[in-house]
Amino acid sequence: NAGVTQTPKFQVLKTGQSMTLQCAQDMNHNSMYWYRQDPGMGLRLIYYSASEGTTDKGEVPNGYNVSRLNKREFSLRLESAAPSQTSVYFCASRVSGTAEETQYFGPGTRLLVL
Amino acid sequence: AQRVTQPEKLLSVFKGAPVELKCNYSYSGSPELFWYVQYSRQRLQLLLRHISRESIKGFTADLNKGETSFHLKKPFAQEEDSAMYYCFHALIKAAGNKLTFGGGTRVLVKP
Repeated sequence: NAGVTQTPKFQVLKTGQSMTLQCAQDMNHNSMYWYRQDPGMGLRLIYYSASEGTTDKGEVPNGYNVSRLNKREFSLRLESAAPSQTSVYFCASRVSGTAEETQYFGPGTRLLVL
Repeated sequence: AQRVTQPEKLLSVFKGAPVELKCNYSYSGSPELFWYVQYSRQRLQLLLRHISRESIKGFTADLNKGETSFHLKKPFAQEEDSAMYYCFHALIKAAGNKLTFGGGTRVLVKP
């Protein structure tokens, strides 16, 4: 099993450009998450999908949209990138969404917005 | 609002010395707390969960509800423990999920 995979690994954008970060998991997990990681701030939840067909806002959703394409895939879209969105983005999944379940993380996407 | 606080951004210790990473949370109910670790050039991975009450790689963490703390400890640090450590609180409700990471503590174990 590949676990959680993310593409691309690294991307440079100009302000105002759009892009979609892809995430897929092959563990048959119901819940998927997008985080951003910034120095000194830990990881902050952007959006999550508790189950296929549902999405909800996390702590920092502004400037982002998500799509739960199917049970395996959960994409994050930046419609008009801003320098403040320069960050490392992590996708994660967990089995059922109960609190005690472990999250499994992807390798991250490093995004630089100029 | 939920908060998870890791007051130390950097802990530098010598090999064989004890290490303690502090984590405080703000939640009045029964928390679900975790420690995640990120080694250099690797993805985040679970280190331990409070519900399991287990010791992983020599690390332990005790939940202290009175002090709302979940500090991570290891009596004898090893060089391979050098990494970024994150305390994490999960609150799952029908009304929505609150998943909160602390700011992280970088541990550097010197030879």
